Amino acid sequence: QKEVEQDPGPLSVPEGAIVSLNCTYSNSAFQYFMWYRQYSRKGPELLMYTYSSGNKEDGRFTAQVDKSSKYISLFIRDSQPSDSATYLCAMTRPPRLNAGGTSYGKLTFGQGTILTVHP
Amino acid sequence: GAGVSQTPSNKVTEKGKYVELRCDPISGHTALYWYRQSLGQGPEFLIYFQGTGAADDSGLPNDRFFAVRPEGSVSTLKIQRTERGDSAVYLCASSLAPTGTSRPLAKNIQYFGAGTRLSVL
Repeated sequence: QKEVEQDPGPLSVPEGAIVSLNCTYSNSAFQYFMWYRQYSRKGPELLMYTYSSGNKEDGRFTAQVDKSSKYISLFIRDSQPSDSATYLCAMTRPPRLNAGGTSYGKLTFGQGTILTVHP
Repeated sequence: GAGVSQTPSNKVTEKGKYVELRCDPISGHTALYWYRQSLGQGPEFLIYFQGTGAADDSGLPNDRFFAVRPEGSVSTLKIQRTERGDSAVYLCASSLAPTGTSRPLAKNIQYFGAGTRLSVL
């Protein structure tokens, strides 16, 4: 079983819809959570990051974390065709301080959900 | 440049050949990461450098894979005796990894390059 599970979709919604993307994880050591967006043939780009249970809002995007259930979500309001991409959840353990500085080490990603928003 | 640069963008090779993939991180970023992304999957961690040394190489699949970062900036991922199963997009990321603990997560965000698409025929 993978440490992070994400429904791959694909998910197809009309423009203006509310989109809900979800990940579950099994490792309670994960304390920091991110959502990345990846367009075709591009690298992942960070959308949001959080380390607290609860909600964090940024424009049309809301990230939700429930550490007790090991469940995270990303909501997209008023979805646009330009939101069409693969959405990846990622998580990591608390940082370690070493000779070079404070670093979080590796990210563990979900499989990614392919989202298409059609006009 | 402003972002993480990876070269080549595409690499086609034959089974059994040796390949080198290059990553040029964001200037000033001390941490550098390599990931591999197979079709339809999320990126999987390979190795992470803090400065010149490999801080965690637990994701390297076998001894055919090796990575270096001799001067703490550019990194090269080397794959010997390539196999068809090595075909994937190889992603590089870098982060600032500053000292201290002031809002560490915000300053440790990993920024990704566009990747090198490796095809082993």
